[in-house]
Amino acid sequence: TQLLEQSPQFLSIQEGENLTVYCNSSSVFSSLQWYRQEPGEGPVLLVTVVTGGEVKKLKRLTFQFGDARKDSSLHITAAQPGDTGLYLCAAKMNRDDKIIFGKGTRLHILP
Amino acid sequence: DSGVTQTPKHLITATGQRVTLRCSPRSGDLSVYWYQQSLDQGLQFLIQYYNGEERAKGNILERFSAQQFPDLHSELNLSSLELGDSALYFCASSRSFGEKLFFGSGTQLSVL
Repeated sequence: TQLLEQSPQFLSIQEGENLTVYCNSSSVFSSLQWYRQEPGEGPVLLVTVVTGGEVKKLKRLTFQFGDARKDSSLHITAAQPGDTGLYLCAAKMNRDDKIIFGKGTRLHILP
Repeated sequence: DSGVTQTPKHLITATGQRVTLRCSPRSGDLSVYWYQQSLDQGLQFLIQYYNGEERAKGNILERFSAQQFPDLHSELNLSSLELGDSALYFCASSRSFGEKLFFGSGTQLSVL
């Protein structure tokens, strides 16, 4: 059973379009992180969200933490080919220090 | 460059063999995490160490073991290797618990 469900699994869109990817769970988390991974490299942290309802912006990327702290979304405005990669959400388990990851959304932006 | 160093970058071995993967965390980071990444399972948490002690354990097989040394580098030992152990193995480090992780570039293990 996957504690963090990410959707969609794959997304291929044209440059300039907007998109949203989701990270959902039935568990409540104290914080949630988003990472981006490119081929041959390890994941790189994009953002950490901590407060329910929190919205954080990173240039064209907007991250939101759900009010109940069980889900999160990543919205990309005017996608560019450089946004191509695997987007992973991650959360720290409340009962121990494990940081678990979703399976990711593989995003491909077509020029 | 994340500051986390993993060696070797690639490893090709045969079933039944034993290998050791090495990780040097970022300077000042006390926590080391090990993950296994495969196409179908995603990034699976294996084990975490903090300042030399085991802190959290995932679904790590009994054939796998790890340790963190006094100089904070860590090693992941995989023994009696099977074809299904072929995967990317990542090490990550952080200052403390549950903080942002800095990942190495991974070790690609191929078991033939």
